[in-house]
Amino acid sequence: EAAVTQSPRNKVTVTGGNVTLSCRQTNSHNYMYWYRQDTGHGLRLIHYSYGAGNLQIGDVPDGYKATRTTQEDFFLLLELASPSQTSLYFCASSDAPGQGAEQFFGPGTRLTVL
Amino acid sequence: GDSVTQTEGQVTVSESKSLIINCTYSATSIGYPNLFWYVRYPGEGLQLLLKVITAGQKGSSRGFEATYNKEATSFHLQKASVQESDSAVYYCALSEGTGGYKVVFGSGTRLLVSP
Repeated sequence: EAAVTQSPRNKVTVTGGNVTLSCRQTNSHNYMYWYRQDTGHGLRLIHYSYGAGNLQIGDVPDGYKATRTTQEDFFLLLELASPSQTSLYFCASSDAPGQGAEQFFGPGTRLTVL
Repeated sequence: GDSVTQTEGQVTVSESKSLIINCTYSATSIGYPNLFWYVRYPGEGLQLLLKVITAGQKGSSRGFEATYNKEATSFHLQKASVQESDSAVYYCALSEGTGGYKVVFGSGTRLLVSP
């Protein structure tokens, strides 16, 4: 059974729309991450969290909020979506960072903002 | 800043032929980064293919291998004989060797294996 799941898998919204992307992990990991991936770019970190109620800012946070409600659940919020946020979004989880720590990824959510 | 460069956006290889996907890195703020290859099959998330945390060492998995070359700052992925099932997107990545959370990913190389 998949250990990191994301919903929805595809989402289309309009400029100014309100979008919530959901991520759930069953790995019992403390760390969770939200990335976006665009053609020609590597995955870029939006926000991450090291536990319920914790939120840390990543490298490309503008226009995004996030909330970690439980150890399992991490949400990404776009309150006023813009076309520049059209992208493929990945959620990931990991143990505490350490030598060679592996991240486990969900299948991704493709978001289109018209 | 730290970066990972994959120069090929897409590579096409015939089945049973050899493969090399290039990866170079710059780790200006990280003394001895850990290096990774992740793979993403269609419709799935990224999954770890192999990792090497010590310079000079080689990692291998599923017939793929990569050597951590600190002098050349490279971590090229190679396979002697590809199969159609290897068609996927391959990402090179680095993280801080001292255990920092941050992972820097390359832009990915799509591998198409033709029958």
